[in-house]
Amino acid sequence: SQTIHQWPATLVQPVGSPLSLECTVEGTSNPNLYWYRQAAGRGLQLLFYSVGIGQISSEVPQNLSASRPQDRQFILSSKKLLLSDSGFYLCAWSTGSAETQYFGPGTRLLVL
Amino acid sequence: QKEVEQDPGPLSVPEGAIVSLNCTYSNSAFQYFMWYRQYSRKGPELLMYTYSSGNKEDGRFTAQVDKSSKYISLFIRDSQPSDSATYLCAMSGYDTGNQFYFGTGTSLTVIP
Repeated sequence: SQTIHQWPATLVQPVGSPLSLECTVEGTSNPNLYWYRQAAGRGLQLLFYSVGIGQISSEVPQNLSASRPQDRQFILSSKKLLLSDSGFYLCAWSTGSAETQYFGPGTRLLVL
Repeated sequence: QKEVEQDPGPLSVPEGAIVSLNCTYSNSAFQYFMWYRQYSRKGPELLMYTYSSGNKEDGRFTAQVDKSSKYISLFIRDSQPSDSATYLCAMSGYDTGNQFYFGTGTSLTVIP
């Protein structure tokens, strides 16, 4: 069966510090991978998605970036965090046909 | 107009009640319809997945899709306190570019 991992679970970072969140998927190959942000009481905002190694599509211009160095690894990064980057970050995967999507446990980021 | 509309609630029902959760959408290209359950501070968990119109039942949960009205529903029978969570609807299709479109979620509380 497929499993999706995210770490860390919780992160507290000062404004202006760098960020690296990692997501890995097990039990499937060539998945589509997604990064979402979920603000308190609000819906899911798609940040990036990837259909293959090195292929990244950005949905929202901001100070975040994403990379996919391996087939089942997706990384969300920032060089300098802003207060507005605080939120709940979710990684997800789907098959290439995009019929359903499965989420990881999420990373709660607080920027102070 | 948002692609997917969902009443945020909150919805509060007594234990044992039948719960009806609904979403409307505007994009006729949507073919796959999903319901997720999200507990506080956790990632969304896929509950039900249906393709095109019709009904699908899984235990106490029934998902309905009416493509002619662009309306989907999730029914929960014999609701339990453990059903207390936020429920998200989501949709995708062949022509949606590997992306998924989410409602903002309905918060449900089942009172013992």
